[in-house]
Parts: sequence; structure tokens; C-alpha cells
Amino acid sequence: NAGVTQTPKFQVLKTGQSMTLQCAQDMNHEYMSWYRQDPGMGLRLIHYSVGAGITDQGEVPNGYNVSRSTTEDFPLRLLSAAPSQTSVYFCASSYGTGFEKLFFGSGTQLSVL
Amino acid sequence: DQQVKQNSPSLSVQEGRISILNCDYTNSMFDYFLWYKKYPAEGPTFLISISSIKDKNEDGRFTVFLNKSAKHLSLHIVPSQPGDSAVYFCAVSNFGNEKLTFGTGTRLTIIP
Repeated sequence: NAGVTQTPKFQVLKTGQSMTLQCAQDMNHEYMSWYRQDPGMGLRLIHYSVGAGITDQGEVPNGYNVSRSTTEDFPLRLLSAAPSQTSVYFCASSYGTGFEKLFFGSGTQLSVL
Repeated sequence: DQQVKQNSPSLSVQEGRISILNCDYTNSMFDYFLWYKKYPAEGPTFLISISSIKDKNEDGRFTVFLNKSAKHLSLHIVPSQPGDSAVYFCAVSNFGNEKLTFGTGTRLTIIP
């Protein structure tokens, strides 16, 4: 049982480049979300989705796009990377908004030079 | 503006003693509180939760206390073990809300 799978694990970008962080879950979870973790800031919600075709903004959505075309996948797109987006990114999913069962991926460490 | 604060970035405790981690929140509308634990190079994992209708919840060595009037919750770990060394995040929400807000985290180190 794979759970929540994030790829890549590490990525280095130059300012202005674009990329997509992939997130897939095999638990048939309706709810998926993206967080970033920064020192002293904890985990901050970027975007979330309560089901296929439905997305909404979290606390720090600027500079990021998401889409949810299937239940399984929830990619996070950086259209023009900035050094301020250097962070560790976590994808998480749950059956609903019962957050005791919020499962996280192992993270993507992104550096923007 | 941080809605959830963990004022101690780090904490060191002797093995076998009690570890107490604290968390303060600003919005009295929050009614659902959780603690997550995170090891290096892994995602956070759920540890324990409490709803606002309770002031205490226990699960083995872990107990969460909620003081609604002070907008404060704490996590007690007794006895502390080396495997408890990790970063602990508190998180808050409302029942039915689609957003879970995390605190800044406390790095707990258990000294053998």
C-alpha cells in the first residue's frame, strides 16, 4: 500500500523556471492538500481540494497553481519560481475533513537559486 | 499573523521524565485540536486529538489538555523515550472546516 507518493524528492530550480510537484494517493481519498514547511513558520497550507474538479486557496497560495482532474492526483505547479519558494513541500490526503486520518507524503525539498 | 503559536522552538528532556509541549491559539471559534509528530525526512503523522467539549484526552503515554478560556493546549508525554525525539506540531480546525492550521513546531530531544 503506497499511501501518498510525492515526486521528486529533491529539486533545484533557477529563478523564473517552472515545474510541477507531483502528488498521488491510492487510498481513494476525497480531500487532498499541499503544505510548505519553513523554519520558524511551521506548516502552512497552500491549496486544498475536497474532490475532483474542486480546489480552493489556503493560507499562502500566491505563486502556485493546482488542479484536480482525478481523485488520485493533485499536482502543484510553480509557474515562475522565486527564491522565496525555497521550502519543503508536503502533500496530504484524507477521506474527509476528519484530520486524524490526514496522511502525508515524505516531502519534496525545493531550492530556487 | 500566526493563529497558532508554539513558543518553544526546542525542548530537551531526560529519558523517563515528563515532556510538556505547549500551544496557544488566537481564535476562540476553533473547536478541534490535534498533535502531529514529524521525524526528519518524513511527513508528519497524527498523534492525538481533542475536541472542545473535552478538557483532556489520553492515549497511552500521551495526554492532551485543553484550556479553552486561556486558548491553550498542551501535550504531555510520560515517560519520555528516545524514540519520542521529533518535531511536534499542534494543529487546529473547526468541525466540518476544510482547513487545518498548524503551529510553528517544537523540536523535542530526549536525552538518554
